[in-house]
Amino acid sequence: DQQVKQNSPSLSVQEGRISILNCDYTNSMFDYFLWYKKYPAEGPTFLISISSIKDKNEDGRFTVFLNKSAKHLSLHIVPSQPGDSAVYFCAASGGTYKYIFGTGTRLKVLA
Amino acid sequence: ETGVTQSPTHLIKTRGQQVTLRCSSQSGHNTVSWYQQALGQGPQFIFQYYREEENGRGNFPPRFSGLQFPNYSSELNVNALELDDSALYLCASSFRPGGTDTQYFGPGTRLTVL
Repeated sequence: DQQVKQNSPSLSVQEGRISILNCDYTNSMFDYFLWYKKYPAEGPTFLISISSIKDKNEDGRFTVFLNKSAKHLSLHIVPSQPGDSAVYFCAASGGTYKYIFGTGTRLKVLA
Repeated sequence: ETGVTQSPTHLIKTRGQQVTLRCSSQSGHNTVSWYQQALGQGPQFIFQYYREEENGRGNFPPRFSGLQFPNYSSELNVNALELDDSALYLCASSFRPGGTDTQYFGPGTRLTVL
């Protein structure tokens, strides 16, 4: 049972435009959500997180939106840059010790 | 500030062998979590260690075991290796246990079982 789903395996965006990566979850007990970026041959790098008491969190070019009623979160990258090309994972936790990860979305930013 | 480091980077084992992977946590972090990432999948939680005790475990068999040392570094041991154990093994550290403290990942160890 996949509790965290990233339904788009890949996404291509032109440089300078907005990238929107989506993530859905099924467990209503999740209360902390994160996005990680992963380059080949490297470990995941933390990007941004959001607690369930918020619906938006911004950090520079990255904004995460949380819609609890829809059990949906999204990551917006504006403006997109070629260096943003990577695999993006969303993760969720429900007050326990572990993160549950989605399967990732490969973002390609075209110059 | 030193980030999370893991060793070795790669290794190749044969079925039935045993392997030990190592992780040094980020400075100031006392909690270490281990994840397995199979090809095309997201990381899957194996277990977490806090103050040298296992603090939680995912859906992995007992042949996956771990240790945490007083300096908060950690080992992952896998006995009786199977072909399906081939994966990227990731270690992550955090200030505290629990799921609301951000976990920072190391570069991983790529294990190939032949």
